[in-house]
Amino acid sequence: NAGVTQTPKFQVLKTGQSMTLQCAQDMNHNSMYWYRQDPGMGLRLIYYSASEGTTDKGEVPNGYNVSRLNKREFSLRLESAAPSQTSVYFCASKGLAGYEQYFGPGTRLTVT
Amino acid sequence: QQPVQSPQAVILREGEDAVINCSSSKALYSVHWYRQKHGEAPVFLMILLKGGEQKGHEKISASFNEKKQQSSLYLTASQLSYSGTYFCGTDSTSGGSYIPTFGRGTSLIVHP
Repeated sequence: NAGVTQTPKFQVLKTGQSMTLQCAQDMNHNSMYWYRQDPGMGLRLIYYSASEGTTDKGEVPNGYNVSRLNKREFSLRLESAAPSQTSVYFCASKGLAGYEQYFGPGTRLTVT
Repeated sequence: QQPVQSPQAVILREGEDAVINCSSSKALYSVHWYRQKHGEAPVFLMILLKGGEQKGHEKISASFNEKKQQSSLYLTASQLSYSGTYFCGTDSTSGGSYIPTFGRGTSLIVHP
């Protein structure tokens, strides 16, 4: 039981490049979330998926797109990376009847 | 809108007590607390629900004042392992989904 996994762990991009951050959970959770964490800003919600087949914008969705590929997987795509997207990205999941969000280990992204 | 946490930082000696506060401008259904150690993912501590129900960590206590839209986390007889950043989170609803919003965090450092 791996919980929530994220790939890659680290990534350096040049401005304008694109990439996809992968997230998968093996707990049969319905809800999945993408956050970014910047110093002093806490965790800010980018996008969420309340169930398979649905996605919605969070607080800071500009510059990102998401795909809920199936119940297990929720990916985050940066189409044209900008230095302002330098951050640590966390994926999380939560069961239908549960209260606790389980977080992945994070992806540290630097855009130069 | 992010809940507001205070203080921003706390420095303690082992065995001392600390209180971390969280307030929101919106009516709260629940408040949840997470702890994040440096370089790691946030980990769930507890959730406090409207009506007084509380689920989570055995050794950490918290209160939830629904009328004042506030919650406090009480860390008594602090241990070195309590060091980290504490986040409170609140849920707003949209189309039947609960959307989490986190505060900016309170850094707690416990010295021997």
